[in-house]
Amino acid sequence: GAGVSQSPSNKVTEKGKDVELRCDPISGHTALYWYRQSLGQGLEFLIYFQGNSAPDKSGLPSDRFSAERTGGSVSTLTIQRTQQEDSAVYLCASSGQRSNQPQHFGDGTRLSIL
Amino acid sequence: GESVGLHLPTLSVQEGDNSIINCAYSNSASDYFIWYKQESGKGPQFIIDIRSNMDKRQGQRVTVLLNKTVKHLSLQIAATQPGDSAVYFCAETGRQGGKLIFGQGTELSVKP
Repeated sequence: GAGVSQSPSNKVTEKGKDVELRCDPISGHTALYWYRQSLGQGLEFLIYFQGNSAPDKSGLPSDRFSAERTGGSVSTLTIQRTQQEDSAVYLCASSGQRSNQPQHFGDGTRLSIL
Repeated sequence: GESVGLHLPTLSVQEGDNSIINCAYSNSASDYFIWYKQESGKGPQFIIDIRSNMDKRQGQRVTVLLNKTVKHLSLQIAATQPGDSAVYFCAETGRQGGKLIFGQGTELSVKP
């Protein structure tokens, strides 16, 4: 489809394991964002990529979280040594190059840490 | 700190009635505002946006009003339908774009 694609849609893992979440943005979108949504809560910003600029990592909650974006397209969010409080839905969004364009979201990865 | 909040956590309306969902924001430097609809198990879906140089914008069955004086944003849905049942979030960002700051959401329930 033409929307933001995220995989896997669900991930269950044991505490202490590492996980990788993938995001394919809308073709042609230069900006890519990761957010986290805990049960019944609003969305919490994690990290933002815009073109070749240095990413805005100001929302990452700890150094166990990292993200990269290869070739200006696909992005991977990695969580190392997962903890139970990492359980949430991780949402990816993308938008066009111009400022103040709406961000379009994927359906997220639901991460459960046992 | 910065925050975007909602006055009502839940709203129940009768099918066919108009719905109004409110949002307060605290950052006077915010320049761009968006309303999203989120259904269970799905990501937020863009509904309508408005820039700070406007006070009203209309879409199909939806209208967004912005009152910068009191830092208030509202979403009006005309002739609400059962398919409108969802959680609605307001979000704001600054002039340069970048991260969105989201409110906690309002759950809209439409009774047939």
